[in-house]
Amino acid sequence: SQTIHQWPATLVQPVGSPLSLECTVEGTSNPNLYWYRQAAGRGLQLLFYSVGIGQISSEVPQNLSASRPQDRQFILSSKKLLLSDSGFYLCAWSGGYNEQFFGPGTRLTVL
Amino acid sequence: SQQGEEDPQALSIQEGENATMNCSYKTSINNLQWYRQNSGRGLVHLILIRSNEREKHSGRLRVTLDTSKKSSSLLITASRAADTASYFCATDRGSTLGRLYFGRGTQLTVWP
Repeated sequence: SQTIHQWPATLVQPVGSPLSLECTVEGTSNPNLYWYRQAAGRGLQLLFYSVGIGQISSEVPQNLSASRPQDRQFILSSKKLLLSDSGFYLCAWSGGYNEQFFGPGTRLTVL
Repeated sequence: SQQGEEDPQALSIQEGENATMNCSYKTSINNLQWYRQNSGRGLVHLILIRSNEREKHSGRLRVTLDTSKKSSSLLITASRAADTASYFCATDRGSTLGRLYFGRGTQLTVWP
């Protein structure tokens, strides 16, 4: 069966520090991969999606970037965090344009 | 920007009652999906309804879709305390690339 992992589960970082969040999927090949951010009490905002290795599309301009170095690995990064980058980051995968399967999320607090 | 707009934003009911949540959207769609999120957790897919479908059932869930009004509803029958969660609708905005656009969600609280 397919599983999706995210780490770390929680992270507290100072403003201006770098960021690297990792997401990996098991049990499937060539998944579509997605990064979302959820602000407190809000819906999900799609940040990046990828349909293959090295293929990244950004939905909104921001302080973040994404990379897909391997088929089932998706990384969210920042060179310098801002206070506004705080939130709950969720990774998801899908086999096409049907339902998406979400990881457990990373709670990021930027101080 | 959010694609779906769920209402109400919050809903509080007693166990055994039915809960109805609504979602409106603005563009054409291929399908509309509903997800559930327990506090501090990832989202779980509940049900998908295609644009050519009007109603779909899954256990205690009933979803309707009215593409002429660009709206959908999620009905949970005979609610339980364990149904307490946030519920989100999501659409694809007519794209086949797999991207989903979520609303702000309805926070459902079911009291025992």
